[in-house]
Amino acid sequence: DTEVTQTPKHLVMGMTNKKSLKCEQHMGHRAMYWYKQKAKKPPELMFVYSYEKLSINESVPSRFSPECPNSSLLNLHLHALQPEDSALYLCASSQDWGLGNTEAFFGQGTRLTVV
Amino acid sequence: QQPVQSPQAVILREGEDAVINCSSSKALYSVHWYRQKHGEAPVFLMILLKGGEQKGHEKISASFNEKKQQSSLYLTASQLSYSGTYFCGTVLYGNKLVFGAGTILRVKS
Repeated sequence: DTEVTQTPKHLVMGMTNKKSLKCEQHMGHRAMYWYKQKAKKPPELMFVYSYEKLSINESVPSRFSPECPNSSLLNLHLHALQPEDSALYLCASSQDWGLGNTEAFFGQGTRLTVV
Repeated sequence: QQPVQSPQAVILREGEDAVINCSSSKALYSVHWYRQKHGEAPVFLMILLKGGEQKGHEKISASFNEKKQQSSLYLTASQLSYSGTYFCGTVLYGNKLVFGAGTILRVKS
């Protein structure tokens, strides 16, 4: 199984809502990532988890809250988002020895619309 | 820190060749190449490491000039399925992979 599965595929939420994005992989990878991608732009790194611990936070606003409950799951909790947060949110995973010498596997993403 | 890609866009006819370039102002640990089709996930193509090691798909060829911190992706005998946006990604350290702006490739029949 070489898949990274993200749910839901699409999400529409109001600015006062709380929602969560979910990401799952069963490749035994110990590094997991959240990227945000706006239309016609490259994926932009948000968070990196290594061995279930947050190792990189790219100065992401606190309305985005990541969680890694176990080695296979990664969540992104959303609260009080703004319309400009509408984007494709991509999850990725990789072997634990770092992306210096191994590839990242990406999920299909969750397309988020904030209204 | 974002690597610089060129060209921004390329239009090819089937069977033609293309080169996509990626450069960084920082010393790199490795360079990644991914292709993303519209509405789909980025798909790994190749990784080039310091010291010359490469890993990736057999039909993809790329180079990495460590002295210049530049990488090039070579697409030969292009097929319709090559169409998409190509991203290079650079790793300075650890797990921080940063993508360039992308190169849109369109292959016409």
